[in-house]
Amino acid sequence: DSGVTQTPKHLITATGQRVTLRCSPRSGDLSVYWYQQSLDQGLQFLIQYYNGEERAKGNILERFSAQQFPDLHSELNLSSLELGDSALYFCASSPDPPDNSPLHFGNGTRLTVT
Amino acid sequence: GESVGLHLPTLSVQEGDNSIINCAYSNSASDYFIWYKQESGKGPQFIIDIRSNMDKRQGQRVTVLLNKTVKHLSLQIAATQPGDSAVYFCAENMGRNAGNMLTFGGGTRLMVKP
Repeated sequence: DSGVTQTPKHLITATGQRVTLRCSPRSGDLSVYWYQQSLDQGLQFLIQYYNGEERAKGNILERFSAQQFPDLHSELNLSSLELGDSALYFCASSPDPPDNSPLHFGNGTRLTVT
Repeated sequence: GESVGLHLPTLSVQEGDNSIINCAYSNSASDYFIWYKQESGKGPQFIIDIRSNMDKRQGQRVTVLLNKTVKHLSLQIAATQPGDSAVYFCAENMGRNAGNMLTFGGGTRLMVKP
């Protein structure tokens, strides 16, 4: 068990809808990262937060947004969903400072858009 | 259920043999590298890491080798066991200016024959 908790485990929704994925990092970790894993593109970095502030952005669509709350949990919001958004979404956390530390991943949320 | 794509390179080994999984990384400025193991239905699990000032690091039954000249990373698993069957990803840390985000390789599926 990595200590990173993601909910829900599975999510099925229709095109055009909006969903929120939730992540609780390991105790004491200040950084949270979101990754998308789809069948044809492997693990793609979306966004990172550190102690409530956005720190780095990857190939995240404008329809997607995230935030990290004062208790350090994070939410990834996906809106105007398209079929191509179907994927596994992973959250990871790392300690402070995050330099040269492994990321610890949750078990992901499987999103299916129909 | 499956967690990764269908077009991964696959390494098939006999139980008890040694396995070598290779990875080419992209950024000569990367200074930290990690190997992850991903089992079906789970998130990537940290195996071993190595910093760019080293060329070899050993763990329990695993060894990582780093060749910076040709930007190549390998993971050696000794006495491979059925429980080692999974997809293995290498990841490179793009550095502090990139928020220490990890960029993942495409993955290799390891299948262990009993």
